[in-house]
Amino acid sequence: SYVLTQPPSVSVAPGQTARITCGGNNIGSKSVHWYQQKPGQAPVVVVYDDSDRPSGIPERFSGSNSGNTATLTISRVEAGDEADYYCQVWDSSSDQGVFGGGTKLTVL
Amino acid sequence: QVQLVESGGGLVKPGGSLRLSCAASGFTFSDYYMSWIRQAPGKGLEWVSNIRSSSSYTNYADSVKGRFTISRDNAKNSLYLQMNTLRAEDTAVYYCARKSITHPRAFDIWGQGTMVTVSS
Repeated sequence: SYVLTQPPSVSVAPGQTARITCGGNNIGSKSVHWYQQKPGQAPVVVVYDDSDRPSGIPERFSGSNSGNTATLTISRVEAGDEADYYCQVWDSSSDQGVFGGGTKLTVL
Repeated sequence: QVQLVESGGGLVKPGGSLRLSCAASGFTFSDYYMSWIRQAPGKGLEWVSNIRSSSSYTNYADSVKGRFTISRDNAKNSLYLQMNTLRAEDTAVYYCARKSITHPRAFDIWGQGTMVTVSS
């Protein structure tokens, strides 16, 4: 089955840029979606299809995807961005959803 | 507004059964594929199952195949998950989620989840 690998944690100071990676075999050929989950809450999608931002999501959130790595970039990080972030793809070969293990973003 | 509300969680003994429900409102439920996704305590998200809008096709994660059954009643705007032969490792918050139409392989709306605890 398809595996997505994320770093367990990323730390960044307020105002700086956070980059959260999601690795997978030839992930660049898939559409990657990113979700933000704050403690005790359901996940919320912050990036669709590699780089599309849903309405209501700040422009500070962006994404890219190429080769074996997809990246969620959060610019001008704020305290309110502190959360767990998950990447997700649909594995066509097994017709199953696949999530990365999640990355905890800490704002210092 | 667009909303998904899960119910039916609780404490069940290993080997037991439970049926989860998800009530949808604020959108045309019958137009959308739906999924169940779970999250074990302190762990990440795990996709569980998917059902097409007309119930014509369902699929499951290997970890639940043969034990869980997803279904829906479009007339009642409801999604279900019948869970049989439950194991301790099935303990998790279970979310129902709507698959996006504009981004078909993503989940654009999530419920708040219902907790399932499998323990003797």
